[in-house]
Amino acid sequence: KAGVTQTPRYLIKTRGQQVTLSCSPISGHRSVSWYQQTPGQGLQFLFEYFSETQRNKGNFPGRFSGRQFSNSRSEMNVSTLELGDSALYLCASSLPSDTQYFGPGTRLTVL
Amino acid sequence: QQPVQSPQAVILREGEDAVINCSSSKALYSVHWYRQKHGEAPVFLMILLKGGEQKGHEKISASFNEKKQQSSLYLTASQLSYSGTYFCGTEDSGNTPLVFGKGTRLSVIA
Repeated sequence: KAGVTQTPRYLIKTRGQQVTLSCSPISGHRSVSWYQQTPGQGLQFLFEYFSETQRNKGNFPGRFSGRQFSNSRSEMNVSTLELGDSALYLCASSLPSDTQYFGPGTRLTVL
Repeated sequence: QQPVQSPQAVILREGEDAVINCSSSKALYSVHWYRQKHGEAPVFLMILLKGGEQKGHEKISASFNEKKQQSSLYLTASQLSYSGTYFCGTEDSGNTPLVFGKGTRLSVIA
């Protein structure tokens, strides 16, 4: 079975721009979660989608948004980028209330 | 609330054992353990559920003390490949998101 895939793997943006990251879950997994990983804060939960509905949301500003499509693929969007948004963004997929499997991440650098 | 992991870092020689702890101030439904190597995605190691159920790698062992809201990961006869950062993630209930600790950096040297 193919694992979780994320595109792009690397991104460089400037302050004020917006960015869209994509995640394709493992086949059959309908739950997708997004995390932000930084050296100082570790892994922080952004949001979780299940069957196209946002089920949980972390403590991030409204500039961070996401969605899930009917094929379970998910996207997250960050608008008005700030320097502090530089991070590794990880997506994880799972069966309901089961083990999460992480993708390789998208490394976002904001200049 | 974020679980607290200890130690923050540990260096082992091949063959030595280590214990990594994860403590929460809240009652837990489950504890998940992951290992992340530099530049790679976190890899699932084990899940421990309230009530005693466990799922994970055969060569990894862990415990979950529900009363103390603590979990420990036991790494025995360490190998170079065990090096990485170990994260615990905790759930309050079956439908709440995982909250991860800040990680324990484990280095195994020859």
